[in-house]
Amino acid sequence: QVQLQESGPGLVKPSQTLSLTCTVSGGSISSGSYYWSWIRQPAGKGLEWIGRIYTSGSTKYNPSLKSRVTISVDTSKNQFSLRLSSVTAADTAVYYCARDELDCSGGSCYGPLFDPWGQGTLVTVSS
Amino acid sequence: QSVLTQPPSASGTPGQRVTISCSGSRSNIGSNYVYWYQQIPGTAPKLLIYRNNQRPSGVPDRFSGSKSGTSASLAISGLRSEDEADYYCAAWDDSLSGYVFGTGTKVTVL
Repeated sequence: QVQLQESGPGLVKPSQTLSLTCTVSGGSISSGSYYWSWIRQPAGKGLEWIGRIYTSGSTKYNPSLKSRVTISVDTSKNQFSLRLSSVTAADTAVYYCARDELDCSGGSCYGPLFDPWGQGTLVTVSS
Repeated sequence: QSVLTQPPSASGTPGQRVTISCSGSRSNIGSNYVYWYQQIPGTAPKLLIYRNNQRPSGVPDRFSGSKSGTSASLAISGLRSEDEADYYCAAWDDSLSGYVFGTGTKVTVL
């Protein structure tokens, strides 16, 4: 049973870079047809997709965050990571990582088929 | 910046049927499959429906999904107290070239 666990600082100062890591256990991050995604949720608000990575290193980001986001993968450690630069209070949220199963048919791919999710980690941006 | 619109709340008594709508556009729901997630407060979301109307193993058949044009719906029949949660729709958006989520609907069991 694949499980995901987020880790990283819970407090980041404004203008600095938020860095989180998602560790995958119970299976290889390189096996199967999966993307690996980051999603966030400000307190009391809805879900926002941040971006995803394939184990080849191919990435896709939310256009609204693209200029500040970098997602990378380390297959040797079975981990993928998120870096969000120039953070402000608006970036305060619970950050989730999730496995994103490729859901393709007829030459097109769909999604998001996020399963499983990590438990989430709260990151607060404050001085 | 939610692109898909849902009603903020819905409610029903135990045993009733509740329906949640999700309104989008041609670039998302109109062109792609819809997925639904259930989030019990304090926990991570859970996949409930994929490809408009397919249930992952373990999801009760009380949950059903449908899609028509640029809108989709999630129905919960035989409402139970454990269904009290937030529900989100999601889809790929061709214009944004990314995933978009709905605004979320809080379901209350009266």
